[in-house]
Amino acid sequence: DGGITQSPKYLFRKEGQNVTLSCEQNLNHDAMYWYRQDPGQGLRLIYYSQIVNDFQKGDIAEGYSVSREKKESFPLTVTSAQKNPTAFYLCASSVHRAWDEQFFGPGTRLTVL
Amino acid sequence: DAKTTQPTSMDCAEGRAANLPCNHSTISGNEYVYWYRQIHSQGPQYIIHGLKNNETNEMASLIITEDRKSSTLILPHATLRDTAVYYCIVRVASRETSGSRLTFGEGTQLTVNP
Repeated sequence: DGGITQSPKYLFRKEGQNVTLSCEQNLNHDAMYWYRQDPGQGLRLIYYSQIVNDFQKGDIAEGYSVSREKKESFPLTVTSAQKNPTAFYLCASSVHRAWDEQFFGPGTRLTVL
Repeated sequence: DAKTTQPTSMDCAEGRAANLPCNHSTISGNEYVYWYRQIHSQGPQYIIHGLKNNETNEMASLIITEDRKSSTLILPHATLRDTAVYYCIVRVASRETSGSRLTFGEGTQLTVNP
């Protein structure tokens, strides 16, 4: 079954701790993305990667870090520098072509206590 | 990317057509209109995209005005499972911009009522 998996679905952390969110895809997609969504709002882009070993900052990259060592994996680390990390985090991927329909994972809801 | 304007919310009766409008008056000639939807607490789902011709697929139809300043997403026979937030996004579609951002606004909350 092809798709994007994010784990875990719910995550709780204490303030000041770094936490890494997992995103894996078996669609053989070149590009991967991380978005953040706050209640009642649209998605905001954190980081994206068009190819392995390369990534670019999105609109709200401060306090986050990513790596892209493998095509199928794009983990996101929420660091203690992120002022308000509690949010719904969505990972997506797409084929590198003009019509790059993005496929989204189920999301991880992070709560920092 | 051009900015879009959508109503905050809409209601539709089950079995009737749902027509969701989107204004994109500053759209440029090489920008496409994309529609995604997001069911509560799930990841968004791609629906359809188009440039200037009307488009139809198994999920919906997209009607773009001749001047391309607005468009309408049509769900021909809405069901309760179509209740979701619908996002209209305008972006250049080319291999050069591929793999770059989609800018999501706040979308339209469509509620399909029994």
